[in-house]
Amino acid sequence: QQQVKQSPQSLIVQKGGISIINCAYENTAFDYFPWYQQFPGKGPALLIAIRPDVSEKKEGRFTISFNKSAKQFSLHIMDSQPGDSATYFCAARRDYQLIWGAGTKLIIKP
Amino acid sequence: EAGVAQSPRYKIIEKRQSVAFWCNPISGHATLYWYQQILGQGPKLLIQFQNNGVVDDSQLPKDRFSAERLKGVDSTLKIQPAKLEDSAVYLCASSLYLADNEQFFGPGTRLTVL
Repeated sequence: QQQVKQSPQSLIVQKGGISIINCAYENTAFDYFPWYQQFPGKGPALLIAIRPDVSEKKEGRFTISFNKSAKQFSLHIMDSQPGDSATYFCAARRDYQLIWGAGTKLIIKP
Repeated sequence: EAGVAQSPRYKIIEKRQSVAFWCNPISGHATLYWYQQILGQGPKLLIQFQNNGVVDDSQLPKDRFSAERLKGVDSTLKIQPAKLEDSAVYLCASSLYLADNEQFFGPGTRLTVL
């Protein structure tokens, strides 16, 4: 019930394409769903986040879609660029603690 | 503003040895977290401090791991004795307060146990 399942494990997208990463959860007590971006040798950094009372949030080329009834949320990266190549983690928060997905390694091919 | 500082960046030890990691959070951040990130996995919370008090340490292997945050600022995480399965990146993060949405991460310490 505390797990967050993330897919795919890795993803290769052509430059300019759309990258889509999916996450699913079971626990309805989660109250906040962030996405973090991690470059090699660095710690994760918050990219974008959403609360369960909102179905979509967009910040620049990054969009979170949230489906409360299906207990799923996804990250869409529009016009993907080589600089977006990184590992992306979804997470869910309960009681001020984050439960993390396993990560998706995204490679954008020029 | 300066970010979260961690040291050392890399550490190689043999099993059964001890090791300590240091973290200096962003100035003014009351909440500090230690995570363990095993290769290919997401971070796993080990311990969470609010000022110098422990909020949660339920996933900290207390028979070998210990952590402290004296004076509510810097923190150290210690492993004694280390096991092969402790090989991981240890990440420190901080947030302004407990309910703050954003956690700021340091670069991590990569530990290799031989």
